[in-house]
Amino acid sequence: GIQVEQSPPDLILQEGANSTLRCNFSDSVNNLQWFHQNPWGQLINLFYIPSGTKQNGRLSATTVATERYSLLYISSSQTTDSGVYFCAAAGGAQKLVFGQGTRLTINP
Amino acid sequence: DTGVSQNPRHKITKRGQNVTFRCDPISEHNRLYWYRQTLGQGPEFLTYFQNEAQLEKSRLLSDRFSAERPKGSFSTLEIQRTEQGDSAMYLCASSASSGYGYTFGSGTRLTVV
Repeated sequence: GIQVEQSPPDLILQEGANSTLRCNFSDSVNNLQWFHQNPWGQLINLFYIPSGTKQNGRLSATTVATERYSLLYISSSQTTDSGVYFCAAAGGAQKLVFGQGTRLTINP
Repeated sequence: DTGVSQNPRHKITKRGQNVTFRCDPISEHNRLYWYRQTLGQGPEFLTYFQNEAQLEKSRLLSDRFSAERPKGSFSTLEIQRTEQGDSAMYLCASSASSGYGYTFGSGTRLTVV
């Protein structure tokens, strides 16, 4: 089945900094989503982005399907951005396979 | 639309007991998924339904696990003869049939003592 790898595993930044999180996937996908898991464990859907670029406020994401990677950009980080960011992908099968996540810590 | 609801939020049980979790998906969503997440790991797929049909089950779903979705509405996940290794967060999500935009519930945290 599809494999999803995320990097870096951990990222510590000061408030106001920008960050880039990467997701590599092993096969062609027709579904790719980014999630934020807050400190209380709730998974929040950020983007559905099997290809192309999307932006939502300070967050944006780009997926280059032909090269099998996706990037999540966070600009002007705030402490509330802290948590774990997951990338999840699906190919022909309909279920999302999750990566191991990137733990982001934003210090004031 | 109140989102995906999971009950209970927490469950502590003794090894060997049976437990059942419930998930109420977003009403317009015909797909429902169960995932399991252990500390420091990403969610792992367990099973999913389209309407009332269970379309796929992971190898993680041993004989002690069973899931149902009667009438294509809410779903239950039952674990029989619980083991300490079953301790985890059990997450439910729903989506439209396209798979677009999974919405997750808050999860049920199971502790087996």
